[in-house]
Amino acid sequence: EAGVTQSPTHLIKTRGQQATLRCSPISGHTSVYWYQQALGLGLQFLLWYDEGEERNRGNFPPRFSGRQFPNYSSELNVNALELEDSALYLCASSLRVAGAGSPLHFGNGTRLTVT
Amino acid sequence: DAKTTQPNSMESNEEEPVHLPCNHSTISGTDYIHWYRQLPSQGPEYVIHGLTSNVNNRMASLAIAEDRKSSTLILHRATLRDAAVYYCILIRTGNQFYFGTGTSLTVIP
Repeated sequence: EAGVTQSPTHLIKTRGQQATLRCSPISGHTSVYWYQQALGLGLQFLLWYDEGEERNRGNFPPRFSGRQFPNYSSELNVNALELEDSALYLCASSLRVAGAGSPLHFGNGTRLTVT
Repeated sequence: DAKTTQPNSMESNEEEPVHLPCNHSTISGTDYIHWYRQLPSQGPEYVIHGLTSNVNNRMASLAIAEDRKSSTLILHRATLRDAAVYYCILIRTGNQFYFGTGTSLTVIP
């Protein structure tokens, strides 16, 4: 079974540009979660998509947005990049009943560097 | 959302058992206790989860206090590959998972 895949592995952008990060969940998983992990810090919840809908978002500005496609893959967009957006962005997937015991499965992330 | 409290760091000698504590005094009856670990340059990896009873799997054991206000992840024989940041989180059905800063485990050869 293929795990959660994220692309690209690394992304370098300049301040003010837009970044697009992609995630393919494990087959059969309908929920996708995005997290930001700044260097040396814990994971900060960004967004949760399930069945194509945004179910919840963390405490991030609106320039962080995303979507989930009919095949359950997902895209995270970050507009008007700022230096402090430099971080590892992690995507995770789960069965829709996640929370009733189903675990999260993570990809290895996209390292975004803003210069 | 329910919060957890973990020590920032712990050390263990190789091949000895490790007990990683987690306090979750605000846990509610429907919260599941999950543990994940994150190795350097990787995404977090699921370790174990439970609701009320103690749980065992090939990676670890989870001991849950009777009042469920605390839990302990037990690695029976620490290896160098177990050096990682361990996260204890509470999950409610339909809710997102919130991670804290976890416990950084150092395994001493």
